[in-house]
Amino acid sequence: DIVMTQSPLSLPVTPGEPASISCRSSQSLLQGNENTYLDWYLQKPGQSPQLLISLASTRASGVPDRFSGNGSGTDFTLKISRVEAEDVGVYYCMQALQPPWTFGQGTKVEIK
Amino acid sequence: QVQLVQSGTEVKNPGASVKVSCKASGFTFSDYYMHWVRQAPGQGLEWMGWIHPNSRDTKYAPKFQGRVTLTRDTSISTAYMELNRLTSDDTAVYYCARDPPTALTLDYWGQGTLVAVSS
Repeated sequence: DIVMTQSPLSLPVTPGEPASISCRSSQSLLQGNENTYLDWYLQKPGQSPQLLISLASTRASGVPDRFSGNGSGTDFTLKISRVEAEDVGVYYCMQALQPPWTFGQGTKVEIK
Repeated sequence: QVQLVQSGTEVKNPGASVKVSCKASGFTFSDYYMHWVRQAPGQGLEWMGWIHPNSRDTKYAPKFQGRVTLTRDTSISTAYMELNRLTSDDTAVYYCARDPPTALTLDYWGQGTLVAVSS
């Protein structure tokens, strides 16, 4: 199985400030020199997960442009340019390159 | 609008089976893979498997192989997840999620179904 490792696991943030979460995979998520199958999800308190980013850097429909994803191969980053109060929750990366699809442990983002 | 509406809370005894449903609307159900993901209390997300739009092909995580069965009924746009031989470790919220054609991502999720296993 591909192991996904996130850091940090807890991230206190100040509204208006940037934030960054790292995700590393145990093997490259690039398929055939084309797509990189790495997603980012946010699970707000008491809610189902919601897709933020797919293919490492493609924002899902309706996701604010303060969220961005980048990276390649085995190292990926989710950035929030200016954190808002509504961004609190647990962020997960997930690989969809090969089954079983696997998630990172999650990064809990909370307001300072 | 896209909706995935799951069945309600289940309370089961150890050794029993559970079958959770996921009713889809707002999109062409027969075009999409459907996945199931679970989350134990206070824990992270765990992928269980997928079912192909053709309803015949499935892929399960090795951890659940032999104990989980994914099915779907295209006539009523509903997906199902059945888990057998339940133990307390299966206590979790179970989510269905759809995977768009050629996408390999989970773009919409159901609201979750709590399955509690206790004697």
